[in-house]
Amino acid sequence: DAEITQSPRHKITETGRQVTLACHQTWNHNNMFWYRQDLGHGLRLIHYSYGVQDTNKGEVSDGYSVSRSNTEDLPLTLESAASSQTSVYFCASSEAGAGETQYFGPGTRLLVL
Amino acid sequence: QQPVQSPQAVILREGEDAVINCSSSKALYSVHWYRQKHGEAPIFLMILLKGGEQKGHDKISASFNEKKQQSSLYLTASQLSYSGTYFCGTGYSYSGGGADGLTFGKGTHLIIQP
Repeated sequence: DAEITQSPRHKITETGRQVTLACHQTWNHNNMFWYRQDLGHGLRLIHYSYGVQDTNKGEVSDGYSVSRSNTEDLPLTLESAASSQTSVYFCASSEAGAGETQYFGPGTRLLVL
Repeated sequence: QQPVQSPQAVILREGEDAVINCSSSKALYSVHWYRQKHGEAPIFLMILLKGGEQKGHDKISASFNEKKQQSSLYLTASQLSYSGTYFCGTGYSYSGGGADGLTFGKGTHLIIQP
């Protein structure tokens, strides 16, 4: 069955370290998204991609980067982790086109000490 | 601009009805409704597109009022399994073959008691 997976599911790191969160989908979806979820804020968009070699900044992109070298993967990199980036990170994907359903991965809980 | 959801929380008895509202100050193209249980990923419920349509399946339905830039989610004869946090995600533009990411409300916490 097609699915969307994230790894690791839990991660503890130290301030200043580079961290990469993986997202892999087997639906062959063109669109992929990264969100972070924090208490009191709901889900906020970090970056998104319409396809290979395409990346776009979302609402809270500072301190994060993504790259899209193939259809299936959109890794999220925290260049220099900060305590403010402690959060739950969700990856999502959808078919091309607006108004398409976004399917979410299981999430990654990141703690930055 | 983050859409505003109301109410923030609601407690119901099993079998009662609930309405959750989602309002935007910006013209909407689409509204997506999700339910999330604690520690889990958001699960898709339904999507409504510009045009004021209404959708539903089982005992959950939703409407989209384009004039008011508002969507409402209706849960009838609520079941214990309906407990969770409900989020609306709003889409504001259509960018050719792509889709901008959604802007989510802060969520409505729904507790169903036996």
